[in-house]
Amino acid sequence: KQEVTQIPAALSVPEGENLVLNCSFTDSAIYNLQWFRQDPGKGLTSLLLIQSSQREQTSGRLNASLDKSSGRSTLYIAASQPGDSATYLCAGGGDYKLSFGAGTTVTVRA
Amino acid sequence: GAVVSQHPSRVICKSGTSVKIECRSLDFQATTMFWYRQFPKQSLMLMATSNEGSKATYEQGVEKDKFLINHASLTLSTLTVTSAHPEDSSFYICSATSPGTGGTEAFFGQGTRLTVV
Repeated sequence: KQEVTQIPAALSVPEGENLVLNCSFTDSAIYNLQWFRQDPGKGLTSLLLIQSSQREQTSGRLNASLDKSSGRSTLYIAASQPGDSATYLCAGGGDYKLSFGAGTTVTVRA
Repeated sequence: GAVVSQHPSRVICKSGTSVKIECRSLDFQATTMFWYRQFPKQSLMLMATSNEGSKATYEQGVEKDKFLINHASLTLSTLTVTSAHPEDSSFYICSATSPGTGGTEAFFGQGTRLTVV
């Protein structure tokens, strides 16, 4: 069974600073790795999807990398803004099922 | 991206009653949908996989007679919490995968906050 861990659990940074969120998974036979954003009391918004054959994906200020051999994925958010404050979840997929990490709650201070 | 709509977003019910939650894929067909539960400050836990036209597959520890899943069409799956009790209070969220976005990407509904009083 895929186990996903996210470190740190919470992060507070001043506006403008770059964010680095870490995700590790136990099963390297991962189908894909997906990063989500969740605002309090809301559903999940898909941010980036990395297929197992890919090493990274980029969308605007967001960049996510995937290293299957080490079982790690990293989400980078450049030049953080207060609107980036949310919980970020990573999830590893095996057979279309997703195993989620507990998330990193980010607070960007204005 | 693909859109998944979940309804209702919030529901409060009395203990012992049943509650139905709907999950719809709005602009694509989903032969498979997934139901998750999320307790406060915890991550999402998969409850069951909903398969169109066949029985749902439940994860270990999830009572299939309590959480009834029906996936009668390619765009709609429903989760019914039967004889709800306060311990069933949680955030329930569905997802569906869409293969038309460069890969198999999961899209989530807005979630349903269930409070059983």
